[in-house]
Formats: sequence, C-alpha cells, structure tokens
Amino acid sequence: DTAVSQTPKYLVTQMGNDKSIKCEQNLGHDTMYWYKQDSKKFLKIMFSYNNKELIINETVPNRFSPKSPDKAHLNLHINSLELGDSAVYFCASSQGQGSDSPLHFGNGTRLTVT
Amino acid sequence: AQSVTQLDSHVSVSEGTPVLLRCNYSSSYSPSLFWYVQHPNKGLQLLLKYTSAATLVKGINGFEAEFKKSETSFHLTKPSAHMSDAAEYFCVVSDRSGANNLFFGTGTRLTVIP
Repeated sequence: DTAVSQTPKYLVTQMGNDKSIKCEQNLGHDTMYWYKQDSKKFLKIMFSYNNKELIINETVPNRFSPKSPDKAHLNLHINSLELGDSAVYFCASSQGQGSDSPLHFGNGTRLTVT
Repeated sequence: AQSVTQLDSHVSVSEGTPVLLRCNYSSSYSPSLFWYVQHPNKGLQLLLKYTSAATLVKGINGFEAEFKKSETSFHLTKPSAHMSDAAEYFCVVSDRSGANNLFFGTGTRLTVIP
C-alpha cells in the first residue's frame, strides 16, 4: 500500500544511454513532481505536473523529458546520460498546488552513470 | 526570492538530551515553512508545517518548531532524543506565488549517541 512508489530503486548505466524512471501515486493527489538530490544532499525541483499538465519546469537540460499519462503517474525519461546526471531522483505528490500542501515522497531512485 | 539556511550541517547529541536544529529563512512573501526528515535510503517525510496559524507548531515523533518572524527563524526542537531520530533533516520554505515551489535547505545530519 505504498503511497508514492518509484522504480527502479537503483539504476546503473553507461554514458550515452537512455533510461526511464517510473513513478505512481495512489493518494489521489492532483500534483506530482520530480526532484534531484545531489551528492551533498541538496534537493532541487525539476518538474511539476498538475492533472497531467506541466506547471513548473526548472532549468533542466532538454535531455530530461517528463511524461504524465494520467494524474497518478509521472515518468522521467533521460536521453544521452552524462556523468553529472548521477544523483538520487525523488518523485513526490501533493493535493493541489498551494503552498500549504505538503509533499509525499517516494523512496528515491539512485542513478549512477559510469 | 526565497531561501533557507540550515546553520549546522551535522549535530550530535546523546540519547535522552534535547535536540536543536537551526533554520533561518528569507522570503519575499509571508512564508509557509516545513521540516522534513529523511532516513537512510528513504524518501522525505513531513515532520511539521507552519502556514500562518499558531507560531508554535507541533509535529510527529515529539518534534516541534517555533516560527519567529523577528528573527526569520524556524528552529526544530525535541526535548529528548531517541536513537530512531538519527536521520537527515531538511528545513523548507514555500513560495506562495501560486505554484507549489519549495526551496530546500542543505540539510542537517542528526547523530544520536547511545
């Protein structure tokens, strides 16, 4: 009964490859997010979707393409992976977009690019 | 612009002694403030939130935080540390511009010594 689940948990791949990370939430939330946590634990938002529509797109290389087939899913596809993409990627969801809406996070996907 | 400064990257306390994790914020708006906890290999979990109601906010697991506008602070406290409190703690400020855009601090690692 995991609320926000993302797969895979670990992903090791070589430079230049294309990979995807999947995220699903069963909380009935309207808004989903992708965050990147670097080696220094710093968390930065990448994308935010509300009811399948993109509402936040921070300065992220266009090699990263989010896709939301429905409001319960937000997948992240990464083309031409680079060493600097190595990080932990967290999916999250919230009810609404307001500043009072706390986030519910998945357990993260640790991406290692070699 | 919004930002958060967590003054200590690492705090170490003995089991049963008080915990103080410091956080100062900067915000152009009347902010919403949050504390999240991250246990190893887990996603972030909401501890507590301040959204312009009572300035002393109580959260889960015995934690609480006090919003002090004059000091632009939102320090996290707990009267008595437990071994299970050992984790990474993030102070977060929210942009009230309409989108749920959170600004994370760099985190404070709490170690609890038996």
